[in-house]
Amino acid sequence: GNSVTQMEGPVTLSEEAFLTINCTYTATGYPSLFWYVQYPGEGLQLLLKATKADDKGSNKGFEATYRKETTSFHLEKGSVQVSDSAVYFCALTPTQGGSEKLVFGKGTKLTVNP
Amino acid sequence: DTAVSQTPKYLVTQMGNDKSIKCEQNLGHDTMYWYKQDSKKFLKIMFSYNNKELIINETVPNRFSPKSPDKAHLNLHINSLELGDSAVYFCASSPASKSSEQYFGPGTRLTVT
Repeated sequence: GNSVTQMEGPVTLSEEAFLTINCTYTATGYPSLFWYVQYPGEGLQLLLKATKADDKGSNKGFEATYRKETTSFHLEKGSVQVSDSAVYFCALTPTQGGSEKLVFGKGTKLTVNP
Repeated sequence: DTAVSQTPKYLVTQMGNDKSIKCEQNLGHDTMYWYKQDSKKFLKIMFSYNNKELIINETVPNRFSPKSPDKAHLNLHINSLELGDSAVYFCASSPASKSSEQYFGPGTRLTVT
């Protein structure tokens, strides 16, 4: 089946630290991969995406590269800010735009301290 | 302007009651969804509608009934509420041509006592 596994949280960092949140997936076919972010008290927002192998998604200083050989889509940011504190969800759609069903990981809570 | 809106934001009710949550999107999207987020933040899709037609129906008790009067609205009605229904329910929408990019509403926190 299709599934997403991401690192357990919570993750606590100091401002300007380097961030990595690991994400691996299991899927049939060629999934599209996403990172969504949920700020406290809000709905989810699309952070970045990649639709094929070796694509790099990037937004707001965050990056993730679609690695088919390792079935991974790790989220990275070189220097986090307090405002990045949120829950981050890795997700996939099982085929390239052919399915409208998002499969989410369990989320990783990030807290950034000043 | 709010792209995807839900009402109410909070809903507290007793077991056995029937309640509805409303969702509206002003993005002109063809597809709408309902997700349930449990207390551990795990998100799972419940339903999806495309142009008012049901296209995804996950393993959800039949006490949950979505209704789409038009493609801008997708409401969720829940009968005979149970304690385990307590969760945050998110509505989302996506354009047909980019169905994997979904836009989420702010959520409705349902507490069943």
